[in-house]
Amino acid sequence: GAVVSQHPSRVICKSGTSVKIECRSLDFQATTMFWYRQFPKQSLMLMATSNEGSKATYEQGVEKDKFLINHASLTLSTLTVTSAHPEDSSFYICSARNSGNYGYTFGSGTRLTVV
Amino acid sequence: EDKVVQSPLSLVVHEGDTVTLNCSYEVTNFRSLLWYKQEKKAPTFLFMLTSSGIEKKSGRLSSILDKKELSSILNITATQTGDSAIYLCAVEAFNNAGNMLTFGGGTRLMVKP
Repeated sequence: GAVVSQHPSRVICKSGTSVKIECRSLDFQATTMFWYRQFPKQSLMLMATSNEGSKATYEQGVEKDKFLINHASLTLSTLTVTSAHPEDSSFYICSARNSGNYGYTFGSGTRLTVV
Repeated sequence: EDKVVQSPLSLVVHEGDTVTLNCSYEVTNFRSLLWYKQEKKAPTFLFMLTSSGIEKKSGRLSSILDKKELSSILNITATQTGDSAIYLCAVEAFNNAGNMLTFGGGTRLMVKP
């Protein structure tokens, strides 16, 4: 149980385009989801907390207009990287807290490459 | 600001060795401490610790939390090459936005045959 599905797993896009990443909780409801970014050989950095039915809470230094988060239902949160640039290339991971003893469940991650 | 520090940064051992990974934290409104193993993709859950002094064990892995010292250790005995990964410690705390995780920088473990 407590599976989080994240798509796509890998995406290559051109500079200036937008990319949408989806994160779904498959067998539980997630009122809160978290979006992280991970650079090579570094740890996970929290970008924002996504709350169902309300605005996301962004961490300091994360541009709200660039990283649009929508959490329209209890099982789906999306992160849209708008007007992507090569420096946005990174590994993006979502997670949700489940009600069991497993803490937070992570999606499988999305590797974004902007060319 | 919540802070989680892991040590060592990296570690190289040989199969059969025992390793101890450390995690210390400074957070407000502590709720739990979690350990994850990350290989090529997303982190996989290992342990969730909420009570001090109670060891959690899963096969060759074990972990314990010390709330007085604000720290936790993860032990791996009889290491195998498949244990090679980044081990992440995260602390769950409660703030105005609700519960959230703060990750440490990770310990990169390499187990050589």
